[in-house]
Amino acid sequence: AQKITQTQPGMFVQEKEAVTLDCTYDTSDPSYGLFWYKQPSSGEMIFLIYQGSYDQQNATEGRYSLNFQKARKSANLVISASQLGDSAMYFCAMREGRRSGNTPLVFGKGTRLSVIA
Amino acid sequence: SQTIHQWPATLVQPVGSPLSLECTVEGTSNPNLYWYRQAAGRGLQLLFYSVGIGQISSEVPQNLSASRPQDRQFILSSKKLLLSDSGFYLCAWSRGTGETQYFGPGTRLLVL
Repeated sequence: AQKITQTQPGMFVQEKEAVTLDCTYDTSDPSYGLFWYKQPSSGEMIFLIYQGSYDQQNATEGRYSLNFQKARKSANLVISASQLGDSAMYFCAMREGRRSGNTPLVFGKGTRLSVIA
Repeated sequence: SQTIHQWPATLVQPVGSPLSLECTVEGTSNPNLYWYRQAAGRGLQLLFYSVGIGQISSEVPQNLSASRPQDRQFILSSKKLLLSDSGFYLCAWSRGTGETQYFGPGTRLLVL
């Protein structure tokens, strides 16, 4: 079974609008972490935001926020006030176990976001 | 601050030729290091990771190998390239295996 599922292969959003990119995960470990990365056309993977399974509040970083719904096992990325520069591939990733553990991150297949002027 | 370098940025190689891609990290010590491959328009495939000098974990058996001769140096190699080795190769580092990974600029490899 896939550990990370991103069901939207592609998304379009109008400039200045908000957009939600979906991510669901599968783990039985009570301790885990969730990450979002952005990959523009240049190819470099850019870390955006992190949410720990025990964090009480949803993570936010500037225009990025993570809508963490633990019972549903979802960790959707919300980008507010979209900009043309937000056009990129977005990857959700998960760490199972504690930060001090030995399990590398598992990545989803990604969602391509296109921002329209 | 920490920086991660990869070279070369682009490489075109004939089938059957050897390969050596290098990744180095600056500004940190004893990082965890990772090699990923990404086929065109696809997700990331973890190839190798290392928690220390000489310690390599292989995630996918294949035509490639990795080595870590120094603390902040990670090398991806092949003795004979296959067409299927074409792709975008990304190196990453993290403070611990479960920590945030930070990626290098990547190497685009085309095997002809």
